[in-house]
Amino acid sequence: DTGVSQNPRHKITKRGQNVTFRCDPISEHNRLYWYRQTLGQGPEFLTYFQNEAQLEKSRLLSDRFSAERPKGSFSTLEIQRTEQGDSAMYLCASSGVGGDYGYTFGSGTRLTVV
Amino acid sequence: QQPVQSPQAVILREGEDAVINCSSSKALYSVHWYRQKHGEAPVFLMILLKGGEQKGHDKISASFNEKKQQSSLYLTASQLSYSGTYFCGTESRRYNFNKFYFGSGTKLNVKP
Repeated sequence: DTGVSQNPRHKITKRGQNVTFRCDPISEHNRLYWYRQTLGQGPEFLTYFQNEAQLEKSRLLSDRFSAERPKGSFSTLEIQRTEQGDSAMYLCASSGVGGDYGYTFGSGTRLTVV
Repeated sequence: QQPVQSPQAVILREGEDAVINCSSSKALYSVHWYRQKHGEAPVFLMILLKGGEQKGHDKISASFNEKKQQSSLYLTASQLSYSGTYFCGTESRRYNFNKFYFGSGTKLNVKP
């Protein structure tokens, strides 16, 4: 297994455009998480899937953000009508079932909104 | 609810020891520790699930004081490869992922 894969690695977009990121988790992991990280800060929780079900979503998350995980495999995160404040690193992580598992993070997608 | 990490930054010489602390204002169910190198993803180091539990591998270990709502990461005889930013992540209730918070990180720089 090659770990958690995220595409694209970098995305530059104009304000107001929509963007979509993809995450391919470790195949045997049924839990998938999206986090956002800005410079000098720790990752901030966005949303969580168990298999195909989106079970948790941050209350701070704007309705411009939506995520899917069809068939419980890969996941996509879409941001509509991007704003400059959306510029950040978007990290995907996955984990297995059980209490002793940490998160395996992907390398992230760096979004720059100009 | 974000845990507080201290110190914010540490500079060490190879072979020196360091302690990074993580403190929460809420009762904790678990504490995670991660290391992130510049431009890379955070890498899981360990998870502590029980109060008083200590874990470790190689020369990196951690403790969890449930009563004090604190965890500490111990780096012994540091190596150049230990450089990076260390994050603790705290969970107040099991599987309540809206309540899983990362600290703002401790930047560790190990010099030859």
